[in-house]
Amino acid sequence: LAKTTQPISMDSYEGQEVNITCSHNNIATNDYITWYQQFPSQGPRFIIQGYKTKVTNEVASLFIPADRKSSTLSLPRVSLSDTAVYYCLVGATSGTYKYIFGTGTRLKVLA
Amino acid sequence: EAGVTQFPSHSVIEKGQTVTLRCDPISGHDNLYWYRRVMGKEIKFLLHFVKESKQDESGMPNNRFLAERTGGTYSTLKVQPAELEDSGVYFCASRDSGLDEKLFFGSGTQLSVL
Repeated sequence: LAKTTQPISMDSYEGQEVNITCSHNNIATNDYITWYQQFPSQGPRFIIQGYKTKVTNEVASLFIPADRKSSTLSLPRVSLSDTAVYYCLVGATSGTYKYIFGTGTRLKVLA
Repeated sequence: EAGVTQFPSHSVIEKGQTVTLRCDPISGHDNLYWYRRVMGKEIKFLLHFVKESKQDESGMPNNRFLAERTGGTYSTLKVQPAELEDSGVYFCASRDSGLDEKLFFGSGTQLSVL
Protein backbone atom coordinates (compact mmCIF):
# COMPACT_ATOMS: atom_id res chain seq x y z
CA LEU A 1 0.00 0.00 0.00
CA ALA A 2 1.35 3.36 -0.98
CA LYS A 3 1.85 5.76 1.89
CA THR A 4 2.04 9.49 1.46
CA THR A 5 4.12 12.22 3.05
CA GLN A 6 3.09 15.86 3.12
CA PRO A 7 4.18 18.97 5.01
CA ILE A 8 2.28 19.26 8.27
CA SER A 9 1.31 22.90 7.79
CA MET A 10 1.63 25.87 5.48
CA ASP A 11 0.73 29.53 5.72
CA SER A 12 -0.17 31.75 2.81
CA TYR A 13 -1.74 35.11 2.12
CA GLU A 14 -4.89 35.85 0.25
CA GLY A 15 -4.41 36.07 -3.49
CA GLN A 16 -1.27 33.97 -3.57
CA GLU A 17 -0.79 30.68 -5.35
CA VAL A 18 -0.27 27.75 -3.01
CA ASN A 19 1.56 24.57 -3.96
CA ILE A 20 1.37 21.54 -1.70
CA THR A 21 3.61 18.62 -2.55
CA CYS A 22 2.96 15.02 -1.63
CA SER A 23 5.50 12.22 -1.75
CA HIS A 24 4.35 8.70 -2.63
CA ASN A 25 7.44 6.67 -3.45
CA ASN A 26 5.68 3.30 -3.45
CA ILE A 27 2.89 4.19 -5.83
CA ALA A 28 1.71 1.24 -7.90
CA THR A 29 1.00 1.13 -11.59
CA ASN A 30 -2.77 1.14 -11.20
CA ASP A 31 -2.92 3.79 -8.47
CA TYR A 32 -4.56 7.15 -8.97
CA ILE A 33 -3.61 10.22 -6.96
CA THR A 34 -6.46 12.08 -5.35
CA TRP A 35 -6.57 15.19 -3.21
CA TYR A 36 -9.20 16.00 -0.64
CA GLN A 37 -10.03 19.10 1.35
CA GLN A 38 -11.47 19.00 4.84
CA PHE A 39 -13.03 21.78 6.87
CA PRO A 40 -13.68 21.42 10.60
CA SER A 41 -16.75 19.33 11.45
CA GLN A 42 -17.08 18.09 7.89
CA GLY A 43 -16.01 15.04 5.95
CA PRO A 44 -13.23 15.27 3.38
CA ARG A 45 -14.33 16.65 0.04
CA PHE A 46 -12.89 15.67 -3.32
CA ILE A 47 -10.79 18.33 -5.04
CA ILE A 48 -8.96 16.73 -7.93
CA GLN A 49 -7.70 13.41 -9.20
CA GLY A 50 -5.02 12.41 -11.67
CA TYR A 51 -2.90 9.58 -12.96
CA LYS A 52 -0.04 11.34 -14.75
CA THR A 53 1.09 14.71 -16.16
CA LYS A 54 -1.27 17.58 -15.42
CA VAL A 55 -4.91 17.80 -14.53
CA THR A 56 -6.83 21.04 -14.10
CA ASN A 57 -10.34 21.76 -12.96
CA GLU A 58 -12.20 24.83 -11.80
CA VAL A 59 -10.60 24.89 -8.37
CA ALA A 60 -7.10 23.43 -8.65
CA SER A 61 -4.37 21.91 -10.75
CA LEU A 62 -2.52 18.70 -10.11
CA PHE A 63 0.99 18.16 -11.39
CA ILE A 64 2.40 14.65 -11.55
CA PRO A 65 5.95 14.01 -12.83
CA ALA A 66 6.76 11.11 -15.10
CA ASP A 67 7.95 8.83 -12.30
CA ARG A 68 4.70 9.51 -10.34
CA LYS A 69 6.56 9.35 -7.03
CA SER A 70 5.24 12.74 -6.04
CA SER A 71 2.46 15.12 -6.91
CA THR A 72 1.77 18.81 -6.38
CA LEU A 73 -1.59 20.35 -5.71
CA SER A 74 -1.74 23.94 -6.90
CA LEU A 75 -4.40 26.32 -5.61
CA PRO A 76 -4.48 29.58 -7.57
CA ARG A 77 -5.19 32.82 -5.74
CA VAL A 78 -6.26 31.40 -2.40
CA SER A 79 -8.82 33.09 -0.22
CA LEU A 80 -9.55 32.89 3.51
CA SER A 81 -12.13 30.20 2.80
CA ASP A 82 -9.41 27.89 1.50
CA THR A 83 -8.12 27.48 5.05
CA ALA A 84 -8.48 23.74 5.59
CA VAL A 85 -6.60 20.48 5.79
CA TYR A 86 -5.56 19.00 2.46
CA TYR A 87 -4.99 15.28 2.07
CA CYS A 88 -3.18 13.42 -0.65
CA LEU A 89 -4.39 9.86 -1.17
CA VAL A 90 -3.08 7.15 -3.40
CA GLY A 91 -5.43 4.40 -4.50
CA ALA A 92 -4.70 0.98 -3.04
CA THR A 93 -3.90 -1.90 -5.34
CA SER A 94 -5.03 -5.50 -5.71
CA GLY A 95 -8.66 -4.60 -5.81
CA THR A 96 -9.09 -3.77 -2.16
CA TYR A 97 -9.10 -0.02 -2.76
CA LYS A 98 -8.14 0.56 0.82
CA TYR A 99 -7.29 4.22 1.22
CA ILE A 100 -4.75 5.50 3.67
CA PHE A 101 -4.96 9.04 4.97
CA GLY A 102 -1.72 10.62 6.03
CA THR A 103 -1.35 13.56 8.31
CA GLY A 104 -2.57 16.00 5.70
CA THR A 105 -1.37 19.57 5.28
CA ARG A 106 -3.03 22.23 7.36
CA LEU A 107 -3.20 25.31 5.16
CA LYS A 108 -3.84 28.64 6.84
CA VAL A 109 -4.65 31.56 4.60
CA LEU A 110 -3.98 34.93 6.16
CA ALA A 111 -5.54 38.25 5.23
CA GLU B 1 -28.18 13.70 -6.20
CA ALA B 2 -28.16 13.05 -2.46
CA GLY B 3 -24.78 12.70 -0.86
CA VAL B 4 -23.56 10.30 1.79
CA THR B 5 -25.69 10.62 4.88
CA GLN B 6 -24.63 9.68 8.37
CA PHE B 7 -26.77 9.43 11.47
CA PRO B 8 -26.58 10.57 14.17
CA SER B 9 -24.33 13.58 13.76
CA HIS B 10 -23.44 13.43 17.45
CA SER B 11 -23.73 10.73 20.07
CA VAL B 12 -22.82 10.91 23.73
CA ILE B 13 -22.89 7.65 25.65
CA GLU B 14 -21.44 6.20 28.80
CA LYS B 15 -18.71 3.63 28.93
CA GLY B 16 -20.18 0.16 28.59
CA GLN B 17 -23.18 1.22 26.56
CA THR B 18 -23.90 0.29 22.96
CA VAL B 19 -24.04 2.69 20.06
CA THR B 20 -25.02 2.10 16.45
CA LEU B 21 -23.96 4.45 13.70
CA ARG B 22 -25.64 4.45 10.35
CA CYS B 23 -24.42 5.38 6.89
CA ASP B 24 -26.49 5.77 3.76
CA PRO B 25 -24.19 5.84 0.74
CA ILE B 26 -24.93 7.48 -2.56
CA SER B 27 -27.49 5.38 -4.36
CA GLY B 28 -25.87 2.83 -6.64
CA HIS B 29 -22.45 2.99 -5.03
CA ASP B 30 -21.26 -0.54 -4.40
CA ASN B 31 -18.25 0.46 -2.33
CA LEU B 32 -18.71 1.69 1.21
CA TYR B 33 -15.94 2.58 3.65
CA TRP B 34 -15.78 3.38 7.32
CA TYR B 35 -13.02 5.56 8.75
CA ARG B 36 -12.46 7.19 12.08
CA ARG B 37 -10.38 9.91 13.59
CA VAL B 38 -9.63 9.77 17.27
CA MET B 39 -8.57 12.97 18.98
CA GLY B 40 -5.39 14.42 17.52
CA LYS B 41 -4.71 11.47 15.28
CA GLU B 42 -4.97 10.75 11.59
CA ILE B 43 -8.05 9.53 9.80
CA LYS B 44 -7.74 5.76 9.78
CA PHE B 45 -9.40 3.14 7.67
CA LEU B 46 -11.71 0.71 9.44
CA LEU B 47 -13.27 -1.42 6.74
CA HIS B 48 -14.51 -1.66 3.19
CA PHE B 49 -17.71 -3.21 1.84
CA VAL B 50 -18.35 -4.16 -1.73
CA LYS B 51 -22.10 -4.46 -1.85
CA GLU B 52 -22.96 -6.57 1.20
CA SER B 53 -19.58 -8.30 1.45
CA LYS B 54 -16.71 -7.20 3.67
CA GLN B 55 -13.81 -6.72 1.30
CA ASP B 56 -11.32 -5.63 3.91
CA GLU B 57 -11.85 -5.25 7.64
CA SER B 58 -8.23 -5.09 8.65
CA GLY B 59 -8.67 -1.69 10.25
CA MET B 60 -11.32 -2.72 12.77
CA PRO B 61 -9.71 -2.19 16.16
CA ASN B 62 -11.22 -5.14 18.02
CA ASN B 63 -14.26 -7.38 18.28
CA ARG B 64 -16.29 -4.72 20.05
CA PHE B 65 -16.86 -3.24 16.62
CA LEU B 66 -19.34 -4.85 14.24
CA ALA B 67 -20.16 -3.52 10.80
CA GLU B 68 -22.97 -4.72 8.60
CA ARG B 69 -24.38 -3.85 5.23
CA THR B 70 -27.43 -5.99 4.76
CA GLY B 71 -28.75 -5.91 1.21
CA GLY B 72 -25.82 -3.88 0.04
CA THR B 73 -27.46 -0.54 0.72
CA TYR B 74 -26.99 1.29 4.03
CA SER B 75 -24.44 0.21 6.59
CA THR B 76 -24.32 0.19 10.35
CA LEU B 77 -21.36 0.25 12.67
CA LYS B 78 -22.08 -0.96 16.18
CA VAL B 79 -19.77 -0.50 19.12
CA GLN B 80 -20.56 -2.79 22.03
CA PRO B 81 -19.56 -2.19 24.75
CA ALA B 82 -18.15 1.27 24.12
CA GLU B 83 -14.88 2.28 25.78
CA LEU B 84 -13.42 5.72 26.39
CA GLU B 85 -10.85 5.28 23.61
CA ASP B 86 -13.62 4.79 21.07
CA SER B 87 -14.38 8.50 21.19
CA GLY B 88 -13.77 10.26 17.91
CA VAL B 89 -15.34 11.09 14.59
CA TYR B 90 -16.54 8.22 12.44
CA PHE B 91 -16.71 8.91 8.73
CA CYS B 92 -18.43 6.92 6.07
CA ALA B 93 -17.59 7.18 2.39
CA SER B 94 -18.89 5.59 -0.76
CA ARG B 95 -17.45 5.09 -4.21
CA ASP B 96 -18.81 3.98 -7.51
CA SER B 97 -17.34 0.95 -9.20
CA GLY B 98 -14.97 1.21 -12.10
CA LEU B 99 -11.84 3.25 -12.51
CA ASP B 100 -13.06 6.37 -10.73
CA GLU B 101 -11.22 6.50 -7.43
CA LYS B 102 -13.27 9.38 -6.06
CA LEU B 103 -14.62 8.91 -2.55
CA PHE B 104 -17.69 10.77 -1.36
CA PHE B 105 -17.68 11.34 2.38
CA GLY B 106 -20.43 11.98 4.85
CA SER B 107 -20.12 14.65 7.51
CA GLY B 108 -19.27 12.11 10.16
CA THR B 109 -20.64 11.05 13.52
CA GLN B 110 -18.98 12.60 16.55
CA LEU B 111 -18.96 9.90 19.21
CA SER B 112 -18.18 10.81 22.80
CA VAL B 113 -17.84 8.03 25.34
CA LEU B 114 -17.88 9.31 28.91
